[in-house]
Amino acid sequence: AQSVAQPEDQVNVAEGNPLTVKCTYSVSGNPYLFWYVQYPNRGLQFLLKYITGDNLVKGSYGFEAEFNKSQTSFHLKKPSALVSDSALYFCAVRDGGSQGNLIFGKGTKLSVKP
Amino acid sequence: DTGVSQNPRHKITKRGQNVTFRCDPISEHNRLYWYRQTLGQGPEFLTYFQNEAQLEKSRLLSDRFSAERPKGSFSTLEIQRTEQGDSAMYLCASSMDSNHYEQYFGPGTRLTVT
Repeated sequence: AQSVAQPEDQVNVAEGNPLTVKCTYSVSGNPYLFWYVQYPNRGLQFLLKYITGDNLVKGSYGFEAEFNKSQTSFHLKKPSALVSDSALYFCAVRDGGSQGNLIFGKGTKLSVKP
Repeated sequence: DTGVSQNPRHKITKRGQNVTFRCDPISEHNRLYWYRQTLGQGPEFLTYFQNEAQLEKSRLLSDRFSAERPKGSFSTLEIQRTEQGDSAMYLCASSMDSNHYEQYFGPGTRLTVT
């Protein structure tokens, strides 16, 4: 069965410091991995995805993520956090051979303090 | 705006009533998904359409739930005989026709069953 784990309910970072939001996954086939961000009272916004190729993928707003097949991880990173990055972040996985629905983690609340 | 739209944004209903939600996907997207999100959880897959065909339904989709996508355009999700446990945010997403493509989410319909 497909699953996603986000081990941290909340991550606290000072503005200007690097941030990491962790994600591990489990799928039977090739993983297609996605990160979404959710701001209060707004829908999920797509940040980036890994389908194949380079393990380091770059996305919107300066975010990037590193795919690690041996550790089955897809951690979200940003070199320098902004207060405006404070939001709820969701990792999602799709088995490449499946019909297409996403399996989401529970989400990690990122809090960036000035 | 050419994003995914959902109506209504909020719905309060009494237990036992029927409710219907509408989703208008991005016009060139032929895949449409419904998810449910409860507080503190990530979105959970409910059902998926490719054009007008409903291709997959989650076990979460009890027989009180029905979804349609006539003519492969907008979609409706109906809940009959609502229960308090149905209270959640109902999210619609659409995507291009390949598992490689990310899903774009609407703002959601928040259902409160009293």
